[in-house]
Amino acid sequence: AQTVTQSQPEMSVQEAETVTLSCTYDTSESDYYLFWYKQPPSRQMILVIRQEAYKQQNATENRFSVNFQKAAKSFSLKISDSQLGDAAMYFCAYRAYNNNDMRFGAGTRLTVKP
Amino acid sequence: DTAVSQTPKYLVTQMGNDKSIKCEQNLGHDTMYWYKQDSKKFLKIMFSYNNKELIINETVPNRFSPKSPDKAHLNLHINSLELGDSAVYFCASSPKHGGKRNEQFFGPGTRLTVL
Repeated sequence: AQTVTQSQPEMSVQEAETVTLSCTYDTSESDYYLFWYKQPPSRQMILVIRQEAYKQQNATENRFSVNFQKAAKSFSLKISDSQLGDAAMYFCAYRAYNNNDMRFGAGTRLTVKP
Repeated sequence: DTAVSQTPKYLVTQMGNDKSIKCEQNLGHDTMYWYKQDSKKFLKIMFSYNNKELIINETVPNRFSPKSPDKAHLNLHINSLELGDSAVYFCASSPKHGGKRNEQFFGPGTRLTVL
């Protein structure tokens, strides 16, 4: 079974600074997808960024980027120039290529200090 | 224009009651899902439906039953509610089953409180 581990229950960052959220996963599949979702206090689950395992290049979406290390099964999220609106729970998620069974980590609560 | 909508957003009920949560998506997606998020924020898939066929059925109690009247709807019916059922329930949808770039879109969640 695939498992997703987020070892940081809480993180904090100063506004305008950079923070990195960690995620590791366990799988025997060779083709899969990894995601970071953001859940603000509104509860809405918002997709932040996705990475296809077959791509070596790290995904980037504006201030959000990932460091994908396939051999190490690591998928960290870097948030640059942190903003107050980035404060939320962040979930790392895994999905194998040929099914819809999305596995989530336990989440990291990010606090942004003004 | 909410892509995935759920009703109600909040549901407070007594133990032993039967309740339903409705979900609708207007994205034309083939697959819909139900997730449960517990008090510790852990998010776990419960069911998914593809063209009215149950694909995933995690080890949830049979008091929970998904009902899909059509491709755009996947309702969650819960019988004999228990205290441990209190959680936030999320509906989601995706274009198809598996495959490339099959992103899941989430609804706003329904907070269920069982007293």
